[in-house]
Amino acid sequence: DQQVKQNSPSLSVQEGRISILNCDYTNSMFDYFLWYKKYPAEGPTFLISISSIKDKNEDGRFTVFLNKSAKHLSLHIVPSQPGDSAVYFCAAARGSTLGRLYFGRGTQLTVWP
Amino acid sequence: KAGVTQTPRYLIKTRGQQVTLSCSPISGHRSVSWYQQTPGQGLQFLFEYFSETQRNKGNFPGRFSGRQFSNSRSEMNVSTLELGDSALYLCASSNTVGQGAFEQYFGPGTRLTVT
Repeated sequence: DQQVKQNSPSLSVQEGRISILNCDYTNSMFDYFLWYKKYPAEGPTFLISISSIKDKNEDGRFTVFLNKSAKHLSLHIVPSQPGDSAVYFCAAARGSTLGRLYFGRGTQLTVWP
Repeated sequence: KAGVTQTPRYLIKTRGQQVTLSCSPISGHRSVSWYQQTPGQGLQFLFEYFSETQRNKGNFPGRFSGRQFSNSRSEMNVSTLELGDSALYLCASSNTVGQGAFEQYFGPGTRLTVT
């Protein structure tokens, strides 16, 4: 049962524009949400996270928004750069099971010049 | 600080054999989690160790096992390999205390191919 879903397998954006990656979840017990970026032949790299008690967190070009009522979060990248081209994974965690992340299937972002 | 390291990076085994993968966490991190990544299933949680004890376990058969040593280094073992075990095996470490308790930092993975 996929508790974290990324329904768009791919997204293509022009350099300089905004990239918006979406994620939905089904388990209301999740306390924390994270985004990871993954290049081929490498492990996922942590990008940004947000606690369930917040609705927005920002770090440089990356902003994550959380809508708890809709069980939806999104990652905004502004401005997008060609080096951002990678697979982006959304993940969720529960306080009762520290050490376990639930991942979405990922979205391949391509930023073209 | 050095990142998470995994050895070996690549491995080719035959069906029926067993394999052991190793993971060294970031210094000071006491939690080590293991994940399997396949094209069909994405990133699936295997298990997590904290202070040498398995604290969480995913839905994998008993052929998949692990352990953690007193220096927090961890190993996972897969016995009686099947073709379907071909995957990227990722190890992640975390601090599990304070603000960043949920954040996991991944190693580069071990690519296992079973023939």
